[in-house]
Amino acid sequence: QKEVEQDPGPLSVPEGAIVSLNCTYSNSAFQYFMWYRQYSRKGPELLMYTYSSGNKEDGRFTAQVDKSSKYISLFIRDSQPSDSATYLCAVSLNNNDMRFGAGTRLTVKP
Amino acid sequence: EAGVVQSPRYKIIEKKQPVAFWCNPISGHNTLYWYLQNLGQGPELLIRYENEEAVDDSQLPKDRFSAERLKGVDSTLKIQPAELGDSAVYLCASSLLRTSNEQFFGPGTRLTVL
Repeated sequence: QKEVEQDPGPLSVPEGAIVSLNCTYSNSAFQYFMWYRQYSRKGPELLMYTYSSGNKEDGRFTAQVDKSSKYISLFIRDSQPSDSATYLCAVSLNNNDMRFGAGTRLTVKP
Repeated sequence: EAGVVQSPRYKIIEKKQPVAFWCNPISGHNTLYWYLQNLGQGPELLIRYENEEAVDDSQLPKDRFSAERLKGVDSTLKIQPAELGDSAVYLCASSLLRTSNEQFFGPGTRLTVL
């Protein structure tokens, strides 16, 4: 079993839609939860970071963590064509040993 | 501020040839990471440096891969000899602190082994 499972998609939505991206993880010891965005031919960039269960908002993005279910989500409101990218979830035990999911490729169509 | 710089961006070699990748981290970042990213997968850590010291190289295939970070700044990752299965993107990342949750990634070197 992989440490982090992520639906690879691809996911295609119309502009303005709400997007939901999800990951599950296997080890309840993971304490840090991140979402990275990776554009084609670029390196990943940190989008959201959370530590505890609950929601964290940043503009159109909301990260949600449910430690009891070992489930993390990223919601994108009012999606834009510029949001088209691969979204990678990542978990960590001690803040620097990240384990990444496979990534979900998202396309937002104008 | 310049980001993480990697070169070359692309490299095509024949199997059994050696290859080297170079990384210049963000100025002042003490921690440097090398990751391997296969197509359709997330990055996987190969090695992590704290200044000059390799503190986690448990996932580095030491029979053919080597890395160094002289003077605690630039780093080089080498493969010798390369195999077909080494075709992937090699990403370098750096962070300011060992405990930092934000790693800054370079654009990667895309390696194709023929």
